[in-house]
Amino acid sequence: EVQLQQSGPEVGRPGSSVKISCKASGYTFTDYVMNWVKQSPGQGLEWIGWIDPEYGSTDYAEKFKKKATLTADTSSNTAYIQLSSLTSEDTATYFCARSGGARYFDFWGPGTMVTVSS
Amino acid sequence: DIQMTQSPASLSASLGETVTIECLASEDIYSNLAWYQQKPGKSPQLLIYYANSLNDGVPSRFSGSGSGTQYSLKINSLQSEDVSIYFCQQNYDSPPWTFGGGTKLELK
Repeated sequence: EVQLQQSGPEVGRPGSSVKISCKASGYTFTDYVMNWVKQSPGQGLEWIGWIDPEYGSTDYAEKFKKKATLTADTSSNTAYIQLSSLTSEDTATYFCARSGGARYFDFWGPGTMVTVSS
Repeated sequence: DIQMTQSPASLSASLGETVTIECLASEDIYSNLAWYQQKPGKSPQLLIYYANSLNDGVPSRFSGSGSGTQYSLKINSLQSEDVSIYFCQQNYDSPPWTFGGGTKLELK
């Protein structure tokens, strides 16, 4: 059974960074890319970027190029997103989601809520 | 970037009714269109991919159609468990992948 387990809620101060994890199980981690999606409170979905765990290659939406850094650890089948220079605009739920060659997101993590507060 | 315009933003319907949600792409996306269902407090779940292919385990009352820039999601015989927010997403060619603004479906 494919599962994506995400780390727990984070509270970050303005200007600081947070790092969220997404541990994959039930499939070969390097056979799929991992996407990250942002959902601000009561809002829609924004694609942040993706990482190919096999090669470590990444691609980001322009808006998130200076905000997010995606990494992956194939030894633990875990993908990470680090969000830097936090502002109130970063308060949101962040999802990891798997996609294959067809690029639709067939499995999602439960989401990690990030709150930016002083 | 490809823009996805979804309508309506909200929808109220009765049990057993048929509802349709529309998604318009800013350019031809050649059926590279997925639909997701998000229940309150949960992550989105894949319903439809390639515009009209039903994901495993999704009830047959859900169907997708469309081509070019215009796509739709149809729910036949609305059930109470269908109360959700629905999103379309284009995944044509190269990133960034973009989502529609969502449709909130409620029971009348």
